[in-house]
Amino acid sequence: KQEVTQIPAALSVPEGENLVLNCSFTDSAIYNLQWFRQDPGKGLTSLLLIQSSQREQTSGRLNASLDKSSGRSTLYIAASQPGDSATYLCAVYGTASKLTFGTGTRLQVTL
Amino acid sequence: GAGVSQSPRYKVAKRGQDVALRCDPISGHVSLFWYQQALGQGPEFLTYFQNEAQLDKSGLPSDRFFAERPEGSVSTLKIQRTQQEDSAVYLCASSPRRSGSYNSPLHFGNGTRLTVT
Repeated sequence: KQEVTQIPAALSVPEGENLVLNCSFTDSAIYNLQWFRQDPGKGLTSLLLIQSSQREQTSGRLNASLDKSSGRSTLYIAASQPGDSATYLCAVYGTASKLTFGTGTRLQVTL
Repeated sequence: GAGVSQSPRYKVAKRGQDVALRCDPISGHVSLFWYQQALGQGPEFLTYFQNEAQLDKSGLPSDRFFAERPEGSVSTLKIQRTQQEDSAVYLCASSPRRSGSYNSPLHFGNGTRLTVT
């Protein structure tokens, strides 16, 4: 059974800092990995999708990497802003044809 | 509509009551998923539809949970005889392609927060 772990569970940084969120998964037989953002009381917003054949994807200040063989992904956020405060969820899409989510990293960016 | 719409946004039920949660996916989306998210946890898969066919219901926690999508668009998740452990946010997501097209991001609704007292 696929298991997804995210470290750290919570993170607080001052505005302007660069930061890295970590995701690991136990079964490397995945088709893609997705990073989502979830604001309180809201649904999930897809940030980046990395196909299994890719190593990284970039969108604005966000960069996600994937090392499928070692079962790891990182989400790099550059020059963090208070508006980045949210919970970030990593999810893998595998042979069971469904997304398996981690428990998330709760990020707070302070002024 | 512009996005996935779920109703109601909040539902309070007394233990033992039946509830029905509605999901309106993005028009034309083939795939529809239901997820359950407990407080402080990531979403857990419940069930998957491709058009009107329920192809995977392996995540439904008990036979009190039932989902349908009779015309391949709107879906309803029904929970019978609700228990306190059913309290969670129920998220619906849709995708324009079949589940076999792996690289299409899911579009999530804002969820229904169910509280069973």
